[in-house]
Amino acid sequence: SQTIHQWPATLVQPVGSPLSLECTVEGTSNPNLYWYRQAAGRGLQLLFYSIGIGQISSEVPQNLSASRPQDRQFILSSKKLLLSDSGFYLCAWSVGVVQGASPLHFGNGTRLTVT
Amino acid sequence: EDKVVQSPLSLVVHEGDTVTLNCSYEVTNFRSLLWYKQEKKAPTFLFMLTSSGIEKKSGRLSSILDKKELFSILNITATQTGDSAVYLCAVCTNAGKSTFGDGTTLTVKP
Repeated sequence: SQTIHQWPATLVQPVGSPLSLECTVEGTSNPNLYWYRQAAGRGLQLLFYSIGIGQISSEVPQNLSASRPQDRQFILSSKKLLLSDSGFYLCAWSVGVVQGASPLHFGNGTRLTVT
Repeated sequence: EDKVVQSPLSLVVHEGDTVTLNCSYEVTNFRSLLWYKQEKKAPTFLFMLTSSGIEKKSGRLSSILDKKELFSILNITATQTGDSAVYLCAVCTNAGKSTFGDGTTLTVKP
């Protein structure tokens, strides 16, 4: 069966520090991979998605970047965190080449607090 | 700009009640509408709807889509405390873009 691992679960970082959140998927090949951010009491905002190694699409301009060095690994990074980067970050995967054709499967999320 | 609006934003009921959650949308080139349940961390998939008028059912939960009026409802009958969660609606377009609503927070009291 497929599983998704996301770490760390919580993170407190000072403003201006770097960030690296990692997500790995097991039990499936060539998944679509996604990074979402969820503000308190709000829905999910898509940050990045990837349909293959090295292929990253950004949905919103921001202080963050994403990379996919391996088929089932997705990394969210920042060189210098801002206070506004605080939030709940969720990694997700789906099958198939076409987005929206199959459900998303989410990791347990990382709660990031920038102080 | 694509929009997904869920109502109510929050709801408090007692065990055994029936609830109806609403999701209306305005998107270009609709592909599918999905419902998720988020208890504490990871949202979990409930239903995916692509055709109007066909009810999807899983136990006490059911959902239906109206593509003419651009909305979907999620029904939960005989609610239990374990149904307490945030219910998220997402609409996907043919371009592959997903837009989420802000969710409905359901609290079921014993």
